[in-house]
Amino acid sequence: EPEVTQTPSHQVTQMGQEVILRCVPISNHLYFYWYRQILGQKVEFLVSFYNNEISEKSEIFDDQFSVERPDGSNFTLKIRSTKLEDSAMYFCASSEAASGAYEQYFGPGTRLTVT
Amino acid sequence: DQQVKQNSPSLSVQEGRISILNCDYTNSMFDYFLWYKKYPAEGPTFLISISSIKDKNEDGRFTVFLNKSAKHLSLHIVPSQPGDSAVYFCAAREEGNTPLVFGKGTRLSVIA
Repeated sequence: EPEVTQTPSHQVTQMGQEVILRCVPISNHLYFYWYRQILGQKVEFLVSFYNNEISEKSEIFDDQFSVERPDGSNFTLKIRSTKLEDSAMYFCASSEAASGAYEQYFGPGTRLTVT
Repeated sequence: DQQVKQNSPSLSVQEGRISILNCDYTNSMFDYFLWYKKYPAEGPTFLISISSIKDKNEDGRFTVFLNKSAKHLSLHIVPSQPGDSAVYFCAAREEGNTPLVFGKGTRLSVIA
């Protein structure tokens, strides 16, 4: 069964460093998303991406964040200068289409720890 | 502003009995509702969904009920199995390419 994959599973970085989180969405999916979950809190939307551009972003997704689809398979989230409060689980998701009965399928997540 | 609320942080159920997980929402523009299951150290796994034009959707042991007038939905699992023990998230979205809005989750423990 096709699945969303994410690497690395755990990333430890120092405050102020850049990190890139990688995702490989399901191959025939067209819409891509990043969510995060800070420990003990709810899953929060960061950004959605379609047709090589951002469709929507939340207020969390400030200038420190960027997304890219560098080739036909990868979808990346970059945090330019990490802060302590960026420590969270980051989930990538993809869906076949944006509306109707098209569910978002999630990857296993990357645990980002900023020290 | 909690648009999606799961007021029970945890629920314990005996194996074989029915599990009922509840979810309330405030945004009347929500068009589609989903339930996800999450095990520790894994991503949310899609379980079942329902469109706002329906009031019930069933898939095997899982049934989701939607009461639009009350802005309430529930997930029924019957019979409950120990492998169902996980955190269950209710999520909703508006029509189109809109983000999912999640509740805080309910931890279900099915006791053998």
